[in-house]
Amino acid sequence: QVQLQESGPGLAKPSETLSLTCNVSGGSIRNYYWSWVRQPPGKGLEWIGYIHYSGYTSYNPSLKSRVTISIDSSKSLFSLNLTSVTAADTAVYYCARGPAQHTFFDYWGQGTLVTVSS
Amino acid sequence: DIQMTQSPSTLSASVGDRVTITCRASQTISSWLAWYQQKPGKAPKLLIYRASSLESGVPSRFSGSGSGTEFTLTISSLQPDDFATYYCQQYNSYSPFTFGPGTKVDIK
Repeated sequence: QVQLQESGPGLAKPSETLSLTCNVSGGSIRNYYWSWVRQPPGKGLEWIGYIHYSGYTSYNPSLKSRVTISIDSSKSLFSLNLTSVTAADTAVYYCARGPAQHTFFDYWGQGTLVTVSS
Repeated sequence: DIQMTQSPSTLSASVGDRVTITCRASQTISSWLAWYQQKPGKAPKLLIYRASSLESGVPSRFSGSGSGTEFTLTISSLQPDDFATYYCQQYNSYSPFTFGPGTKVDIK
C-alpha cells in the first residue's frame, strides 16, 4: 500500500522559506507525478505544483515565482520550498500522487499544518 | 485558469436520501474531472476520476456523470459515513489543476 508522509517545521517566520519533505513508501516513486496541495484553515484546496521522477516540474502560475519542488528518487522523497512566506501561506500542506501528467490525486499524505507567524 | 464552482455549498440530508452535487467549469474540460471526499482533519479521498470512473474500493452508491462544463456527483443512498465535504477537481491539460470550493453534506 502506497503511503506518503509529510515532514518539516510547523512554524515559519514571515519572509522566510517554508521547507517540507514527503517520504514515499510502499511503492515506486518512478512513473508518477508527485504534487503538493495546500489548504488554508477552513478553506478549499490549492494545487501548488508537481514533479516527475525525471525531474520535470510544473507549478501553479499563482505561486511559480516562489516555489521549487525537488526529488530524490534514491531516497523516495520529494520536497517543497516556498520562499518569502506571509500569513497567507498558513495552511495544511499535503503531498499527493498523480498517475499521469494531467491528473487527479489517488494517494495523499495526512497533511502537515504550517503556520507563518513571527 | 479554469474556475470551478459547486452547488450547493451546504446540503442537509438524512440517512437514506439520494444526494446530488453539481460542479461547473468555466470552460470545457472534456471528462477531466475528479471528485474527492474530505472529513475534518483528514486528507481528501479520491472517489471518482474521469468524471464517471469509480476509484477502486469506493462504494457503488457513489457515481459521477457529466462532460464539458457540467458534472454531478450522486450518492444514491446516503450513509452515516458519507457526512463530509466534497470537492471536484479539474485536470485539463491546458490549465493548472483547480478545485471547486467544496460542498458540505451535513445531517438534517
